[in-house]
Amino acid sequence: EDKVVQSPLSLVVHEGDTVTLNCSYEVTNFRSLLWYKQEKKAPTFLFMLTSSGIEKKSGRLSSILDKKELSSILNITATQTGDSAIYLCAVEDRSNTGKLIFGQGTTLQVKP
Amino acid sequence: SAVISQKPSRDICQRGTSLTIQCQVDSQVTMMFWYRQQPGQSLTLIATANQGSEATYESGFVIDKFPISRPNLTFSTLTVSNMSPEDSSIYLCSVDGVGLDTQYFGPGTRLTVL
Repeated sequence: EDKVVQSPLSLVVHEGDTVTLNCSYEVTNFRSLLWYKQEKKAPTFLFMLTSSGIEKKSGRLSSILDKKELSSILNITATQTGDSAIYLCAVEDRSNTGKLIFGQGTTLQVKP
Repeated sequence: SAVISQKPSRDICQRGTSLTIQCQVDSQVTMMFWYRQQPGQSLTLIATANQGSEATYESGFVIDKFPISRPNLTFSTLTVSNMSPEDSSIYLCSVDGVGLDTQYFGPGTRLTVL
C-alpha cells in the first residue's frame, strides 16, 4: 500500500532557529513530491519536486528530494512566528493522475 | 494558478441531515478532487469529480454517502448525506490539469455535526 510518512509530527522552536522537516514515501509509481503549508483550512503550495527538479528554494525555505532514499526534507531558516503552521508532504502517483497521497503533517510552532 | 471558492465556509448541522458543498474555479480545469481532513488528521482523498460522468471514489467512500456532481469544467458539488458526528471534518476541493503547474486547494468547508 502506498504511504507517506512525515517526521517529526510536531516541533516547537524559537524565532531565528533553523528547522528540518522530513518526509519519506513508498509509492509504486512516483511522479512528484509536493510540500504544502496549512494555516487554518486551505493548504497553500510551497514546492514540487520531480526527478528533473530535485532541489527548490524560495527565500528562507528550501527542499531537496532524495530519490535513492525515497525521501525529502524541507528546511526553514531564520524561522519567524508566521511560519507556525502544519506542513504537509504529498506524493503524486503516476498511475493515478492527479491523486495525492498525504503524510500526517508536521505541526510547527515558532515562539517569539 | 487557479482561484477556487467554496461555499459554505463552515456549517453546523444536525445528525441525519445532508449538506451540499459547492466548489467554483475561476477557469476551466481538467481535474477536480474532493478531500476530507478529520480533526487532527491529514488529508484523505474522497473522490475524483469527473465532468459529465460519475465520480471515481477511493476505497472506503461510497456514492450513496458522498454524492458528487460536476456539470462543467469549473464547478462541482459534494454532498455529505445522512450525517453523523464522525463526518465532522474540513472538506476541501482541489484542482489540477492542463495549464496548472500543480494541484491547488480551495479554502475548505469546516463541517460540525451535532
